[in-house]
Amino acid sequence: NAGVMQNPRHLVRRRGQEARLRCSPMKGHSHVYWYRQLPEEGLKFMVYLQKENIIDESGMPKERFSAEFPKEGPSILRIQQVVRGDSAAYFCASSAPGLQETQYFGPGTRLLVL
Amino acid sequence: AQSVAQPEDQVNVAEGNPLTVKCTYSVSGNPYLFWYVQYPNRGLQFLLKYITGDNLVKGSYGFEAEFNKSQTSFHLKKPSALVSDSALYFCAVRDNTGRRALTFGSGTRLQVQP
Repeated sequence: NAGVMQNPRHLVRRRGQEARLRCSPMKGHSHVYWYRQLPEEGLKFMVYLQKENIIDESGMPKERFSAEFPKEGPSILRIQQVVRGDSAAYFCASSAPGLQETQYFGPGTRLLVL
Repeated sequence: AQSVAQPEDQVNVAEGNPLTVKCTYSVSGNPYLFWYVQYPNRGLQFLLKYITGDNLVKGSYGFEAEFNKSQTSFHLKKPSALVSDSALYFCAVRDNTGRRALTFGSGTRLQVQP
């Protein structure tokens, strides 16, 4: 049973470009979460999605960031017009639907903005 | 608002000695508590969780954690440390109301010396 898959593992963008990060949840998981980790810091929650629905986006920056989890295909975290401060590791996690279910994390995408 | 404190940036222990990584939390209502471990340039691996029931929780790789409600603590322990346990450890909390976002501590780097 494959774990949470994320790609790309590393992404380099110049300021002003767009970054698209993809996440495929574990088999049987229908809930996806995105977190951001700045260097030497803990993870900060960004958004929680179920298929075709954003459930909680309280951690998402108001501008330039968006997320989706379509009926088919992976979840996408999109960052428009990237700035140097967006450089971080972005982790996706997935869980089964139950309230007590554990979130399992992918290997992350390390975004570097030049 | 919920929060997690990991008071030690780094813990050093000799191989074969017991280890403790400290975590205290603040949350409204009853907590769900988690420990994850992160190896360099990798994602987070789930170690164990407390949801309800027995205060002593056993997890992967010989780790265990004790939930103490009066002290709002959830310290991670292992009776005999291995060099391969050297990594970054994160404590996380969420409440049991249905909001799924995990709040993470800043992490504790465990260094096990041979």
